[in-house]
Amino acid sequence: DAKTTQPPSMDCAEGRAANLPCNHSTISGNEYVYWYRQIHSQGPQYIIHGLKNNETNEMASLIITEDRKSSTLILPHATLRDTAVYYCIVRPMRGGADGLTFGKGTHLIIQP
Amino acid sequence: DTAVSQTPKYLVTQMGNDKSIKCEQNLGHDTMYWYKQDSKKFLKIMFSYNNKELIINETVPNRFSPKSPDKAHLNLHINSLELGDSAVYFCASSQGGAETQYFGPGTRLLVL
Repeated sequence: DAKTTQPPSMDCAEGRAANLPCNHSTISGNEYVYWYRQIHSQGPQYIIHGLKNNETNEMASLIITEDRKSSTLILPHATLRDTAVYYCIVRPMRGGADGLTFGKGTHLIIQP
Repeated sequence: DTAVSQTPKYLVTQMGNDKSIKCEQNLGHDTMYWYKQDSKKFLKIMFSYNNKELIINETVPNRFSPKSPDKAHLNLHINSLELGDSAVYFCASSQGGAETQYFGPGTRLLVL
């Protein structure tokens, strides 16, 4: 069972920042927040993860609230190729090899 | 070079047949996974495997069996295929069970 809540869909204009929210109010102290995305007909792709500090990489930024009960994935300059389903997943720091639990995700549509 | 590869990309077969899907990773990872994505696009873990343990999702029928000839390969064998087995199957790998997972492109299985 997914331990996260995300809006089912969002639109964003090309070139604008896309902000994808995720609620994870039951997150434990030893759980990371991971973001993956799945572009149509492809396998899921890792984007970013964090524990409590904000993180940034070449793909996106991750903002985690101080209480860690929610987070926001930011794609700073969305392009049409960013249209995909985005999954927010919470996962233990040193969990067993029991796979990722995917929820329904957010279908982000980038509009030209 | 493709990090995680799967063959075949498409597989169409008759009910009752036995088939295998192959997965190879060249990342040097020690843990591999199989996921199933059904027609409603839900992604669910089926198996995770490293050289120490096999973790099976309890909902997976025993007609499905993973076979690992070596650390770089985890094949999925399916006996007595049923219509409900039609789905996209994704292989993934990671270094350690809690680390970032890298997914293959998927195998689209259609059982007629």
